[in-house]
Amino acid sequence: DSGVTQTPKHLITATGQRVTLRCSPRSGDLSVYWYQQSLDQGLQFLIQYYNGEERAKGNILERFSAQQFPDLHSELNLSSLELGDSALYFCASSVREYNEQFFGPGTRLTVL
Amino acid sequence: AQSVTQLGSHVSVSEGALVLLRCNYSSSVPPYLFWYVQYPNQGLQLLLKYTSAATLVKGINGFEAEFKKSETSFHLTKPSAHMSDAAEYFCAVSVANQAGTALIFGKGTTLSVSS
Repeated sequence: DSGVTQTPKHLITATGQRVTLRCSPRSGDLSVYWYQQSLDQGLQFLIQYYNGEERAKGNILERFSAQQFPDLHSELNLSSLELGDSALYFCASSVREYNEQFFGPGTRLTVL
Repeated sequence: AQSVTQLGSHVSVSEGALVLLRCNYSSSVPPYLFWYVQYPNQGLQLLLKYTSAATLVKGINGFEAEFKKSETSFHLTKPSAHMSDAAEYFCAVSVANQAGTALIFGKGTTLSVSS
């Protein structure tokens, strides 16, 4: 158990819908990262937050957004969902920006 | 830009044999390098990390990796494979700069262990 929690574990929804994925980092970790894992794209970095501020963006679509709240938990919002958005979404956290990242168990999103 | 190449998408070994998973990186600045393992239907677990303190890094479960700057490599080894080592392994690079500290992953290597 890494100490990073993600909810829900599984999510099944339809095209065009909007979903919210939630992540609670390890106690004391200030940095949160979101990654997408799919068969064709592999593990791709989406976005990073550090102590509530957006720090870096990767291959995140404009339909996707995220935020980190004052209690340091983070949410990833996916809207206008398409079939190709079906993937595993991982959250990771680290104490500070340059430390190793610890990954949550992931949320498996299926878009039908 | 940083990148990681894992040679061999699938490696098969016998129980008790040497495990060697290859990783080459590209980085214009000294990198931080990591190996993660992913078991089926689970998240990624950190095996070991290189952050310039020592070139030979020991990790969990008997794994180790050696940083070779001249070869831009960070191969993962384990002297004797166990059935429980069967999983997918990812090499990743992170460079601390103004753009944050995201991990750039290789495509992964699936390790199969036969009895």
